[in-house]
Amino acid sequence: ETGVTQSPTHLIKTRGQQVTLRCSSQSGHNTVSWYQQALGQGPQFIFQYYREEENGRGNFPPRFSGLQFPNYSSELNVNALELDDSALYLCASSLETGFGNTIYFGEGSWLTVV
Amino acid sequence: GEDVEQSLFLSVREGDSSVINCTYTDSSSTYLYWYKQEPGAGLQLLTYIFSNMDMKQDQRLTVLLNKKDKHLSLRIADTQTGDSAIYFCAESIPGRRALTFGSGTRLQVQP
Repeated sequence: ETGVTQSPTHLIKTRGQQVTLRCSSQSGHNTVSWYQQALGQGPQFIFQYYREEENGRGNFPPRFSGLQFPNYSSELNVNALELDDSALYLCASSLETGFGNTIYFGEGSWLTVV
Repeated sequence: GEDVEQSLFLSVREGDSSVINCTYTDSSSTYLYWYKQEPGAGLQLLTYIFSNMDMKQDQRLTVLLNKKDKHLSLRIADTQTGDSAIYFCAESIPGRRALTFGSGTRLQVQP
């Protein structure tokens, strides 16, 4: 158990719809990162939030957006869903930007776009 | 991840040692990690090594780092069926907010 919880665990959406995924970080962690893991691939960095501000972004289009709340929980929003957005979405929490053993992943949210 | 490469598959017999290899390209990597992912689950941090170290041992796990060749390996001693999973190598680089992951090595342990 890492103390990082994600919801929902599984969901199915239709192409063109919007989705919101949620992450509750480990107590005391002020940084949340989101990763997309397509089937058979390693996780790819989407973005990171530090103290409610976006603090770095990977190679993902603007329809991927996020929020971090004062309690450091976070949301990932994806608009205009495409079939290729089907993946496991992982949240990782850390203190500051995280090094060594301070990065903890949740169990992920499985998104299927049909 | 294009910067981190791993072989796709490894099969060993229960009780043998497993060695999973990884190569990375960025010489400024500070920490290198090994994560385990079981079917349908998230990522579990197994161990990590700081770039100024050559070796780290943690119970059945031994990590070897060759900075010159940018090669990282994870040795699992006395491999058990519960070790069957996908193992990811990842690197962190100063100034970059993300971990860069390899595509994972699927370890299959035969009874």
